[in-house]
Amino acid sequence: QVQLVESGGGVVQPGRSLRLSCAASGFTFDTYGMHWVRQAPAKGLEWVAVIWYDGSDKFYADSVKGRFTISRDNSKNTLYLQMNSLRAEDTAVYYCTRDPRATSAGYFDYWGQGTLVTVSS
Amino acid sequence: EIVLTQSPATLSLSPGERATLSCRASQSVSSYLAWYQQIPGQPPRLLIYDASNRATGIPARFSGSGSVTDFTLTISSLEPEDFAVYYCQQRSSWPLTFGGGTKVEIK
Repeated sequence: QVQLVESGGGVVQPGRSLRLSCAASGFTFDTYGMHWVRQAPAKGLEWVAVIWYDGSDKFYADSVKGRFTISRDNSKNTLYLQMNSLRAEDTAVYYCTRDPRATSAGYFDYWGQGTLVTVSS
Repeated sequence: EIVLTQSPATLSLSPGERATLSCRASQSVSSYLAWYQQIPGQPPRLLIYDASNRATGIPARFSGSGSVTDFTLTISSLEPEDFAVYYCQQRSSWPLTFGGGTKVEIK
């Protein structure tokens, strides 16, 4: 069965960096696009970034553009999110999600359990 | 950016009743709209994609309709496990955006 397991969350000071990882299993990782979606405490969902199946294209939400970088290592079946210059408003649960297509259908058919990132001094 | 507005914010119903949730887009998204269910403490689950297609394993009591700017998610007869928050999401253009959610609570 499809499994997505996020890691790397924690408490970090404003302005610092953090890297999230997502270990994928149960499907052929290198044939699917992948996204990060976040949810601030007691708030709604916000799409963060997408990466094509082969890493050849990426898109970002304006709120993270220039600060966050999505990447993947298909040899390790792992998705990453490098988060720099973190702000208090980046505090959220970050979900790793699978797209049904290799490029991007723009939907999320499987979700991980999420990892909490708290930006606070 | 396409803004999705969901209504009502909260829907109070009893098990067995019919639930009708609305999602309105600020501009046309054609049929490129999905619905998700989120139970507290869990990640969201894809219910409906492309406005009216049920995702794998989703019961037939969930149905979606609509196009262009106005969409509806209908739950024909609420089961106890259906009390949750529901989000719509568009894939018509970048950035992908979600609505603010509708909470379906037990009356």
